[in-house]
Amino acid sequence: GQQLNQSPQSMFIQEGEDVSMNCTSSSIFNTWLWYKQDPGEGPVLLIALYKAGELTSNGRLTAQFGITRKDSFLNISASIPSDVGIYFCAGQNASGTYKYIFGTGTRLKVLA
Amino acid sequence: DSGVTQTPKHLITATGQRVTLRCSPRSGDLSVYWYQQSLDQGLQFLIQYYNGEERAKGNILERFSAQQFPDLHSELNLSSLELGDSALYFCASSVGQGMSYNEQFFGPGTRLTVL
Repeated sequence: GQQLNQSPQSMFIQEGEDVSMNCTSSSIFNTWLWYKQDPGEGPVLLIALYKAGELTSNGRLTAQFGITRKDSFLNISASIPSDVGIYFCAGQNASGTYKYIFGTGTRLKVLA
Repeated sequence: DSGVTQTPKHLITATGQRVTLRCSPRSGDLSVYWYQQSLDQGLQFLIQYYNGEERAKGNILERFSAQQFPDLHSELNLSSLELGDSALYFCASSVGQGMSYNEQFFGPGTRLTVL
């Protein structure tokens, strides 16, 4: 099925470091969502973005809706061990059925 | 806790069998979505229902079917199961049928193992 390009695929970082990941698409989206998934659990919504250029924060997390409407970024500042997990972006088509397309995920591992 | 419930949490069955997965959406949500997640893979959209009617279809196999009942709970039926159907199956719900400002909230998932 169709998926968004999400990078990096995985990353190891030291506790306290900042993290950045992004999603890109060839299609225009009207909504971007960022989720975190812990092993064996369902994805949990972190941030929702609705307008091009929008910058939204949720604690140490900041996400941006790209100006071109074809990309989005998620930044995590001062990472801590509980940030470990898989982060997914999801984009909603600007036309058609409005269904969400999910990214391939970024697996984050934080070294204490 | 997202408010979306799924049962059972785990299911182990044999090839060729049929199973039913159940989902109850958050209170007030009218849309239910089903996703499949294979090992270390992303989420593959299967199907969406809104207020009892099918709204969107993704990569759902013909051996799979779903429905949403008047009380808004949904069931995903998987038949003639194959080894490759082993995966996590997630249900998500949202208030509307897919317009903007329509965040999806996920349940804890059902882990299906086909032996």
